[in-house]
Formats: sequence, structure tokens, C-alpha cells
Amino acid sequence: AAGVIQSPRHLIKEKRETATLKCYPIPRHDTVYWYQQGPGQDPQFLISFYEKMQSDKGSIPDRFSAQQFSDYHSELNMSSLELGDSALYFCASSSPLGTEAFFGQGTRLTVV
Amino acid sequence: AQTVTQSQPEMSVQEAETVTLSCTYDTSENNYYLFWYKQPPSRQMILVIRQEAYKQQNATENRFSVNFQKAAKSFSLKISDSQLGDTAMYFCAFMKRSSEKLVFGKGTKLTVNP
Repeated sequence: AAGVIQSPRHLIKEKRETATLKCYPIPRHDTVYWYQQGPGQDPQFLISFYEKMQSDKGSIPDRFSAQQFSDYHSELNMSSLELGDSALYFCASSSPLGTEAFFGQGTRLTVV
Repeated sequence: AQTVTQSQPEMSVQEAETVTLSCTYDTSENNYYLFWYKQPPSRQMILVIRQEAYKQQNATENRFSVNFQKAAKSFSLKISDSQLGDTAMYFCAFMKRSSEKLVFGKGTKLTVNP
């Protein structure tokens, strides 16, 4: 069965650079979520989209932005990267009326 | 705001034995969902089991079952016949029905010993 696809899997950036993470949800899933998991931490909700509209917002820094496109894939744009942004970034998706979120394998971002 | 507490940072169990992971939560909501996610060393987040708050019957998935005590706001996970592949970080998570975001506990690192 198709799963949530995230790219890239690994990313190394320098401070003050920008990064774009991509997420391709499971086919026919219309909701996408982004989570950030720092080293040794639990995942923290960043933002979610339903039918291409932002549906909820968590502790997402102003330096970050995200959107969901017409094909339901989503991109998380991160600017002015800081060392503290180093983390595993998960994307998850769920189906219409679904309550179960299926997670991708994550993008490991390292800021040096 | 909702909070999820996992009071056991680490646990270990012998292969084939049973282990129970604890989780408590705090909410004023009446309609919500509870989940247990497993995160093995690969860091993949895998859904183990879920429970709807309006259902009194405890959820079961093969060797995994929960003890859901709504009044006590408790949601423990029991793993029977533990296997080496169960070694992972386990996160308890809460989601209110009107929202889409998961609120996670700090996790319990489970090690299954041969």
C-alpha cells in the first residue's frame, strides 16, 4: 500500500540558509500535518492543511511557512535557519473524516 | 490545553513476557481519541492502537491492548508475549474530536531483552 512520502530524507544546511521539505500524502487523503521532533523529544505539531486551506496552527516559527497544493502535496519552507531547527520533520496525512494519521518516514534536517 | 503524561521514561521486559506502559492525560473535552504510537530506531512513527473516548470497550490489536479508564483519564498499553521487535520508543497521544493535531507524551523507551 502507498504510504506518505517525504523528501528529502536527509538535509544539511548552514545557518541562515533556507530549506524546503516536501510531503506527498497517501492517495485520496486530503489532510496533511507537519510535526517537528527535536533530539530526544516528542513530536510537536507545527501546522495542518485540509483541502488546501490551513486548518490548524501550532508552535510554528514565523520563519517557517507551509502550503498545500492542488494535488494535495505539501511543502514546508524554512528560512533563516538556526542551529535549533535541527530536528526530524514528520509529515502525516489522513483521509476524509478519518481520525488516524499516517506518518511519513521523516526528513532529518541538520543545521550547521 | 491538553496534556499527556507518560511517567515511565524507560522500561524493560524479557522476551515473551507482558509489560504495561502508563499514560495519563488532562482534558476538559468529552469527545476525543487516544493513540499509542511506536517509534523504533528507524524513527518511523507507527500507529499501534487507537481508542475512541465514547467507546467503553477497550481496543485490542493482536498482542496489544489498552486499559482505558475515562473517569481517571488513564490510557495504558499492555503488550503481551513481548518480542525483540517491540523494542522502541512508545508515545501516547491525544486528539480532540474538533481538532486535527496530536498532542504527544514524552515517550517511554521500551527494551525487550532476549
